Amino acid sequence: DAGVTQSPTHLIKTRGQQVTLRCSPKSGHDTVSWYQQALGQGPQFIFQYYEEEERQRGNFPDRFSGHQFPNYSSELNVNALLLGDSALYLCASSPGHSYYGYTFGSGTRLTVV
Amino acid sequence: SQQGEEDPQALSIQEGENATMNCSYKTSINNLQWYRQNSGRGLVHLILIRSNEREKHSGRLRVTLDTSKKSSSLLITASRAADTASYFCATDLWQGGKLIFGQGTELSVKP
Repeated sequence: DAGVTQSPTHLIKTRGQQVTLRCSPKSGHDTVSWYQQALGQGPQFIFQYYEEEERQRGNFPDRFSGHQFPNYSSELNVNALLLGDSALYLCASSPGHSYYGYTFGSGTRLTVV
Repeated sequence: SQQGEEDPQALSIQEGENATMNCSYKTSINNLQWYRQNSGRGLVHLILIRSNEREKHSGRLRVTLDTSKKSSSLLITASRAADTASYFCATDLWQGGKLIFGQGTELSVKP
C-alpha cells in the first residue's frame, strides 16, 4: 500500500521563478495538508485541502497557492520565489474519518538560488 | 508561530538506556501527536494522545499528557541506535486540523 508520494524529490530554482510541487495522498485519504520546514526548525503549516477546497490556511503570503483534484491529489504553487523559500516541503494526508494522525510524504527539497 | 516548545533540544544516550523528551504548549488542544524524522526527510507518525487521555503506550513508546500543565512527555525505553532521529511534538487544536509543531528534540543513541 503506497503511502504519500511527493514529486519531485529535489528542485533548484532561481529567485523570481515559479514552482509547482505535487502530492498524491495515501489510498483512502481525502484530506491533504502542506507544510514548510526550514533547516533546523519544526514544520510550519501552509494550508489544508478537503473536497477540492482550501479549508484552513497558515500564515503564508498569497504567493503560496494550492489546488486539490477530484482524485484527492494536490499541488502547491509558489510564485516569485525568494531565497527564504528554500526549505523542505512536506505533504501530509489523512482520512476524513477515523482520524489517528497524519501520514507524511518524504518531502520535496526546494533550493532557491 | 510555534505553539510547542521541546526540551531538551538535543539528547545523547547509550544504547539500552531510556530517552525522555518533553513538550509544552500554550492553548487548549484536541489531541497531541509525536512524530519522528530521520535525516531531514519525511515525518513518521508515532503516537496520538487525545485531550481526555493521560497516558498511552505503543511498543517501546510511552506518552503522557497533562492538560492542566499543558505538557506532554515521550519516553522511549531500551533505546537502539536506529532510534537516532529528531522527534517532534505537534498539537492539533481541533481534530484533523492544522498541526502546530515544536522545534524538535534531536536524539542520538550511541551503540
